[in-house]
Amino acid sequence: KNQVEQSPQSLIILEGKNCTLQCNYTVSPFSNLRWYKQDTGRGPVSLTIMTFSENTKSNGRYTATLDADTKQSSLHITASQLSDSASYICVVSGGGTASKLTFGTGTRLQVTL
Amino acid sequence: GAGVSQSPSNKVTEKGKDVELRCDPISGHTALYWYRQRLGQGLEFLIYFQGNSAPDKSGLPSDRFSAERTGESVSTLTIQRTQQEDSAVYLCASSTTGQGNYGYTFGSGTRLTVV
Repeated sequence: KNQVEQSPQSLIILEGKNCTLQCNYTVSPFSNLRWYKQDTGRGPVSLTIMTFSENTKSNGRYTATLDADTKQSSLHITASQLSDSASYICVVSGGGTASKLTFGTGTRLQVTL
Repeated sequence: GAGVSQSPSNKVTEKGKDVELRCDPISGHTALYWYRQRLGQGLEFLIYFQGNSAPDKSGLPSDRFSAERTGESVSTLTIQRTQQEDSAVYLCASSTTGQGNYGYTFGSGTRLTVV
């Protein structure tokens, strides 16, 4: 069964600090991996999309890494801001259409003063 | 429009009633998707429309759920005889193609509460 597991489930950090969120998956075949940010009461917003040949991709203070051999990805947030408080969702695509996407349950990040 | 618009944003309904949720995709996006997000769980795929092709209904949980889309415009998701387990946020997304390699734009969702 295709699965995407994220850790930690929740995280609290001080503003200005860095943090790393983890995503492990067992999706096969593999097409791409995406990280989304979902603010409370809003729909998910795409941060990065990586195919199996990409090891790292950045979007501002967000840097995602992918190890297709170990089926692991991480999302690193640098110099966190209060506005980074949100759920971060890892999504793995098996290719083809929308029915082939497997969503993780997300990591809830809270950035505090 | 500039983004994916969903309405209503919140809906409280009595068990057994029918509800209709609306999604207005980004103009020009041929693909439209519906997902369900239960509290503390990942998004569940419900249904996918691509242009005038037959929709992929493989994610619909029961025959109480149905969705329609006319051409490349508005879509409605209908839940008949609602049950308490239907309580969730229903998210709609659209994209320029139906291929899984492209990112989606999500709406803000409709929070459905069945009491």
